[in-house]
Amino acid sequence: EVQLEESGGGLIQRGGSLRLSCSASGFTVSNNYMSWVRQAPGKGLEWVSSIYSASSTYYADSVKGRFTISRDNSKNTLYLQMNSLRAEDTAFYFCARTRGVTHDYWGQGTLVTVSS
Amino acid sequence: QSALTQPASVSGSPGQSITISCTGNGSDVGGYNYVSWYQQYPGKAPKLMIYDVTKRPSGVSNRFSGSRSGNTASLTISGLQAEDEADYYCCSYAGGSSLWVFGGGTPLTVL
Repeated sequence: EVQLEESGGGLIQRGGSLRLSCSASGFTVSNNYMSWVRQAPGKGLEWVSSIYSASSTYYADSVKGRFTISRDNSKNTLYLQMNSLRAEDTAFYFCARTRGVTHDYWGQGTLVTVSS
Repeated sequence: QSALTQPASVSGSPGQSITISCTGNGSDVGGYNYVSWYQQYPGKAPKLMIYDVTKRPSGVSNRFSGSRSGNTASLTISGLQAEDEADYYCCSYAGGSSLWVFGGGTPLTVL
């Protein structure tokens, strides 16, 4: 059974850094595209970043240069390093397995709150 | 403002059919056969209901179907049930600086 579990969210001051983790089971992250999608409280979904390999990473313009996606194949875990956090980064962050161009399985999400 | 436009809300009675639209442009919905639909209950993870415009993942009820005409995709739910009450989001691969774009979501109320 495919399962994804995010962790690492919390309350952080504007300009601070946070690293999110997404532990996967039931499949191998190294063989799949993996993505982060966020949802501001009460708002819609927004694609943030995706990774296929260390050299194939993609970012939304809103986070480019501030966020870094990576994975540890030995731990079957996806990460999102978030630097220079802004109030508008406040959201639930979901990790998702991306098969082809479809995000087919999602985790429950972790909440990041950036205070000003 | 979301990249894809969905209705603010939709409602229907049990047993009825409803359709949720999702309008984009030729660079996303109309340009790729990669529209997907997600169901989300409050506080829960999105669940894939439709992918590649019309395909249904294993385990999803055949009451859910997808279609597209031009730059507008649609999700139809037939034989409405109380358990269908949730938020529904469309998503399209866009291939540009924003690889995927989402709609703003449509809450479905089963009356």
